[in-house]
Amino acid sequence: KNEVEQSPQNLTAQEGEFITINCSYSVGISALHWLQQHPGGGIVSLFMLSSGKKKHGRLIATINIQEKHSSLHITASHPRDSAVYICAVTSGTYKYIFGTGTRLKVLA
Amino acid sequence: DAGVTQSPTHLIKTRGQQVTLRCSPKSGHDTVSWYQQALGQGPQFIFQYYEEEERQRGNFPDRFSGHQFPNYSSELNVNALLLGDSALYLCASSSPTGGGDTQYFGPGTRLTVL
Repeated sequence: KNEVEQSPQNLTAQEGEFITINCSYSVGISALHWLQQHPGGGIVSLFMLSSGKKKHGRLIATINIQEKHSSLHITASHPRDSAVYICAVTSGTYKYIFGTGTRLKVLA
Repeated sequence: DAGVTQSPTHLIKTRGQQVTLRCSPKSGHDTVSWYQQALGQGPQFIFQYYEEEERQRGNFPDRFSGHQFPNYSSELNVNALLLGDSALYLCASSSPTGGGDTQYFGPGTRLTVL
């Protein structure tokens, strides 16, 4: 079993829909990260969380430390949101441990 | 302010050959991590360099080696290439004094082994 699990693996939505991507982890963490990867490979950091909730534009990330679970929400989705969204954790050992990613496609 | 840069962008090699990938960290960053991302998978940690030393290593064979230079740039070397080494290789930089948990990623080098 992977230390970081994401669901769903693939997600297709219509423009304007509210989207939720889930992440569960089984290790102790110092922080949880949500990242975005576009075709071609570049990875961009969206959020770093150690507790509570963060919001940036149409993106909201929450974390429940007790349940070892985090969610990434996208409100009013747009085709430009189409990408792979990756959850990763850091556990005080300098490295990221990644989930396998959620491939999101938003249709116009 | 230049971000993390990697070279080359793409590379094609044959089995048994050796390859060197290069990474320049974001300005002000002194720590470089390397990751391997197979198609359709999340990245896997290879190793991390800090102060020119390998600080931590993932579950990769000794064919994978690295180096960090005094200017903090880094190289990843892979010897005796196998077909399974075909992947996107990502470099990430960070700084313990700048919120060390956050890593900034380069665009990656896509390696194809034939």
